[in-house]
Amino acid sequence: AQSVAQPEDQVNVAEGNPLTVKCTYSVSGNPYLFWYVQYPNRGLQFLLKYITGDNLVKGSYGFEAEFNKSQTSFHLKKPSALVSDSALYFCAVISTNTDKLIFGTGTRLQVFP
Amino acid sequence: EAQVTQNPRYLITVTGKKLTVTCSQNMNHEYMSWYRQDPGLGLRQIYYSMNVEVTDKGDVPEGYKVSRKEKRNFPLILESPSPNQTSLYFCASSLADTGVYEQYFGPGTRLTVT
Repeated sequence: AQSVAQPEDQVNVAEGNPLTVKCTYSVSGNPYLFWYVQYPNRGLQFLLKYITGDNLVKGSYGFEAEFNKSQTSFHLKKPSALVSDSALYFCAVISTNTDKLIFGTGTRLQVFP
Repeated sequence: EAQVTQNPRYLITVTGKKLTVTCSQNMNHEYMSWYRQDPGLGLRQIYYSMNVEVTDKGDVPEGYKVSRKEKRNFPLILESPSPNQTSLYFCASSLADTGVYEQYFGPGTRLTVT
């Protein structure tokens, strides 16, 4: 069965430090991977996606993510966190064998000044 | 401005009273979907539609109905709401299917069923 795991409910990081939000997946077929961000009282916003090609993908607001096929991971990263990055982050996956986008349970990122 | 709109944004109702949450998009997207968001469970898909008059069940369709008579609209209907349908609901749309295209989400509808 297709699934996405975000093992951390919350990630805390000081402003200016690098951040990582973890995501692992399980699919049959080739994965298409997405990261979305949800700010308070807002809908989800698309950050970035991996479809094919370069394993390191760059997205909005300085975020990037690295696709690692052997570890079935797609961790979200940013070199220098901002307080305004504090939000709920969702990883999602769909495979070439299905037509359903599956979301992880979300990771709350808290960036402290 | 390209957007997905939902109405109402907030709704408090009682058990058994039929309600409809509207969703509309102005991007000419073929694909539309409804999700519910619950703490610790992330987003779960309720129903989706690949195009006009084509709808399919998602992971948690029980207690919900949808229709897709026009490309831009995808209303969510709760015929007889129950307290376990208290949740935050999001409508989303994208080009064609979700395979390669990112979804655009509405602002959400917070529903409370007492």
